[in-house]
Amino acid sequence: QQQVKQSPQSLIVQKGGISIINCAYENTAFDYFPWYQQFPGKGPALLIAIRPDVSEKKEGRFTISFNKSAKQFSLHIMDSQPGDSATYFCAALSGYALNFGKGTSLLVTP
Amino acid sequence: DTGVSQNPRHKITKRGQNVTFRCDPISEHNRLYWYRQTLGQGPEFLTYFQNEAQLEKSRLLSDRFSAERPKGSFSTLEIQRTEQGDSAMYLCASSPIGLAGQETQYFGPGTRLLVL
Repeated sequence: QQQVKQSPQSLIVQKGGISIINCAYENTAFDYFPWYQQFPGKGPALLIAIRPDVSEKKEGRFTISFNKSAKQFSLHIMDSQPGDSATYFCAALSGYALNFGKGTSLLVTP
Repeated sequence: DTGVSQNPRHKITKRGQNVTFRCDPISEHNRLYWYRQTLGQGPEFLTYFQNEAQLEKSRLLSDRFSAERPKGSFSTLEIQRTEQGDSAMYLCASSPIGLAGQETQYFGPGTRLLVL
């Protein structure tokens, strides 16, 4: 059973545009929500993370928006660049285990 | 390079053979995790160590799988009698001890296993 649901499965954005990826969860025990970026053949690399007591966190071009009542969170990539083309995973921490979404394949076209 | 390292990076084996993977965490990271990632999916948690103690195991970790972290530093993951369904990327991650809910897990490059 997928504990974190991620959408869309794939996304195509023009260079300079905004990429938006959404995630939803049910388990209210989750208390830490990271986003990871993964390139083919590589391990996931942490992009940005948020705790449920914060509604928004921004680091450079990356912003997490968090809606605790709706149990949803999203990643916004501003001024998307071709180098951002990768697979993005949202995750939620329960205990010591990260529960990952299925991933979003992002393609940023020149 | 002070990141998490994993060896080998790739392993091809025949069904029924045993394989062992190694993970070296970031220096001084007390916590170590193993995940499995199949094509087109997110990583799935397998097991977790705090120092040398294995504190949590997923139901995914069948009795053919065993993980160790004998001295609280590097860890090994062994799969006995491999099956084709074991083909996946095996990821290791580590994290320092911090406040619960605030720990960042840093992933290694993974070991890609193909069982023929």
